[in-house]
Amino acid sequence: GDSVTQMEGPVTLSEEAFLTINCTYTATGYPSLFWYVQYPGEGLQLLLKATKADDKGSNKGFEATYRKETTSFHLEKGSVQVSDSAVYFCALRDGGFKTIFGAGTRLFVKA
Amino acid sequence: IAGITQAPTSQILAAGRRMTLRCTQDMRHNAMYWYRQDLGLGLRLIHYSNTAGTTGKGEVPDGYSVSRANTDDFPLTLASAVPSQTSVYFCASSDSGSAWADTQYFGPGTRLTVL
Repeated sequence: GDSVTQMEGPVTLSEEAFLTINCTYTATGYPSLFWYVQYPGEGLQLLLKATKADDKGSNKGFEATYRKETTSFHLEKGSVQVSDSAVYFCALRDGGFKTIFGAGTRLFVKA
Repeated sequence: IAGITQAPTSQILAAGRRMTLRCTQDMRHNAMYWYRQDLGLGLRLIHYSNTAGTTGKGEVPDGYSVSRANTDDFPLTLASAVPSQTSVYFCASSDSGSAWADTQYFGPGTRLTVL
């Protein structure tokens, strides 16, 4: 079945450092890919998404490119801030009702 | 715009008791979902509803039931709570249950502890 694997955390960075959170997927079809972010004490919210191969999703300085050849959707940000501290979830949706979530990666950003 | 509201915010419950978690959305979304979030496991789908009057089972439905009498409300019931149902529960909605690029909108969650 479909699945999402993302790097284990926590990831701890200093402010202004470069961020990469790896995400790979397996899917039988051509899924849409998502990154959701969960700030402390809140529900998940969409950060960005991409719906087809080579698409780049971007928002709030975060980017991820849909790489079909490597089945990956890595999240990057050039300069993280303390306010980016959160849990990040990679997810896919391959038609139908179900979204498959990764286990989540916790990011801590130190001032 | 409130989006999705959930109640209660948190609850401590004795094993064997019945509990209903409430979820209401004001976005007129067709599809609604219940997830549980457990450390290291991400989110797992419990039940879903593509439209009012229909429901379906997700990945971990045992011990839970849902109903969808109207568009806005999607309550989750634990008929007889057990300690393994201790978790954080999130309700979510999306415009369409079948669109492959659908974005889901999440409520703030209910933290449930079963003793």
